[in-house]
This record gives sequence, C-alpha cells and structure tokens, in this order.
Amino acid sequence: AQSVTQLDSQVPVFEEAPVELRCNYSSSVSVYLFWYVQYPNQGLQLLLKYLSGSTLVKGINGFEAEFNKSQTSFHLRKPSVHISDTAEYFCAVSVTGGFKTIFGAGTRLFVKA
Amino acid sequence: ETGVTQTPRHLVMGMTNKKSLKCEQHLGHNAMYWYKQSAKKPLELMFVYNFKEQTENNSVPSRFSPECPNSSHLFLHLHTLQPEDSALYLCASSQATDNEGTDTQYFGPGTRLTVL
Repeated sequence: AQSVTQLDSQVPVFEEAPVELRCNYSSSVSVYLFWYVQYPNQGLQLLLKYLSGSTLVKGINGFEAEFNKSQTSFHLRKPSVHISDTAEYFCAVSVTGGFKTIFGAGTRLFVKA
Repeated sequence: ETGVTQTPRHLVMGMTNKKSLKCEQHLGHNAMYWYKQSAKKPLELMFVYNFKEQTENNSVPSRFSPECPNSSHLFLHLHTLQPEDSALYLCASSQATDNEGTDTQYFGPGTRLTVL
C-alpha cells in the first residue's frame, strides 16, 4: 500500500520569499506523484505531476518539484511567492493501472505582505 | 458550464433526512469520483466509477449510496447520516486512459454538508 506524509501542516512566509513544501511517500512499487492546490471555496487543481523521465518537474504559477527516489520525496518549491499563492497544497501518489490516488493531509501556505 | 459542477454548494440536514448531492462533468471524461474532505485529514476516496461501472468502494457506510447513470453525471444519495459525516464532499473526473494512475483529476468546488 502507498502512503503520503506532508511534513508541515502550515507554512507562513513573507511575500517574495522562497518556499519549500515537503512531501514524502511510501510505496513498494513505482509511483506517480502529483501536487494539487486548493484555493478557498474551490476544488483542487493540478499544479504538476511526475510520471517518468526528468526528476525536475515544472508546473503552473512558477512552481516546480523534484522527485528523489532514494529519499522517497517530492518537495514543491517556488523561488518567490505572491499573496495569491495563499492556499492549501496537497501531495498525492498513485500507481500503474489504479484509480486510487492517495492524498496527503495538506499544507496550508500563508503568504504575508 | 465548463469543468466539473456540484450542487448544492451547501447543505444542512437532520439525521433522519434523505438528500442527494449532484455532480456533472463537461469534460468528456469517463471516470468519476467522490471524495470526503474533513479538516486536518487527507482526502478520503469514497467511490470511483469508470464508464458507469463502480470500480472502487472504499469501505463506505451504506448510508452513502452512489449512482452513476452516465459518464457525465454522478450522484451521492444520503440517508440517516451522523454528525461526524459533516464535511466537504468533492466530486472529480478523469479521462480514464490506458494507465489510469497517470491521469489528472479535475475537481468540482464541493458541497459543504452539515449534519445536525
């Protein structure tokens, strides 16, 4: 079975500062990895996903994530955040041939002026 | 309408009521999902339908009853709920490619359910 751990429940950061949201996963088979974002009063939307190939994945809104197989991590980064990045971020994992995506508990990013 | 829509957006019901949540996707997808989102907890997958057939039932109590009449519509029928069932219920859809694990899920805005 797969599991996902998001190490920080809340991350406060000042505007224009860099940010890293941490995600670790556990699986006995190869996985696909996702980051979704949920803005207030909205559903989740995809930021980026890792399926194969280059371990550095670029997504929307200037976010990127790096797949590290040896550390079983998929941390999300942005070099300079904006107030509008305030949202909840979810890391997720799935496997080949399955509809069952496992989500982490989420990290609330709060960007301060 | 575009994307995934859910109605109603808010619902308050008593423990003896019967109500239904509706989800509609306008993306031409073949798979649809119900999730439960509670505060401080990971999203919980409840049900998955692929081409109208149920493929996942994640040990959900029978007081939740899904229905998928076609690939565009998904319902969640509710009866005799408990206060701990209060949560945000999210619907999602995906393309259902040859390798479903790689598919992006597209979410609706959710129905905020309160059980009194």
